[in-house]
Amino acid sequence: KQEVTQIPAALSVPEGENLVLNCSFTDSAIYNLQWFRQDPGKGLTSLLLIQSSQREQTSGRLNASLDKSSGRSTLYIAASQPGDSATYLCAVKATNYGQNFVFGPGTRLSVLP
Amino acid sequence: EAQVTQNPRYLITVTGKKLTVTCSQNMNHEYMSWYRQDPGLGLRQIYYSMNVEVTDKGDVPEGYKVSRKEKRNFPLILESPSPNQTSLYFCASSPWTGELFFGEGSRLTVL
Repeated sequence: KQEVTQIPAALSVPEGENLVLNCSFTDSAIYNLQWFRQDPGKGLTSLLLIQSSQREQTSGRLNASLDKSSGRSTLYIAASQPGDSATYLCAVKATNYGQNFVFGPGTRLSVLP
Repeated sequence: EAQVTQNPRYLITVTGKKLTVTCSQNMNHEYMSWYRQDPGLGLRQIYYSMNVEVTDKGDVPEGYKVSRKEKRNFPLILESPSPNQTSLYFCASSPWTGELFFGEGSRLTVL
């Protein structure tokens, strides 16, 4: 059964720092991996989607990488801002029909002014 | 605007009073799913649907029902709500390319 973990569980950084969030999954047979942002009490907003054939995706200050063989993805945030404070979740989509998205527990990020 | 719409957004009810949380998407997605999110437990899947008339249990289906009679709608039914179903509920949809889109969430309190 696919399991997804995220390290660290919480992270606090000063504004302007570059930072990396980690996502690990146990079964490398994935269809894609998606990173989400969630503000407290709100819905999940999709940040980046990486298909299994891709190695990375970029959007603005965000860069996500995928290494299927090692079961890892990283989300790199450049020049962090207080507005980046949120919980970041990763989710993997399994290749098999009937299995679907498995979520990590999230990393709670605080960017201090 | 492409979106997943849930209603109600907030609901307080009492034990045993049947309720339905509606979910509608306007993106013609095949896949739809319901999740609940609880502190310390993360997102847990309740039910999902791969297409019209095709539904299957997720990790925590007990106490819930769903139906998928139309492609755009996927209501979540609580036949006899109990306090342990107090939670934040999310509906999501996805095309076959696999990008998941979420609704804003429905906060349910069962007294």
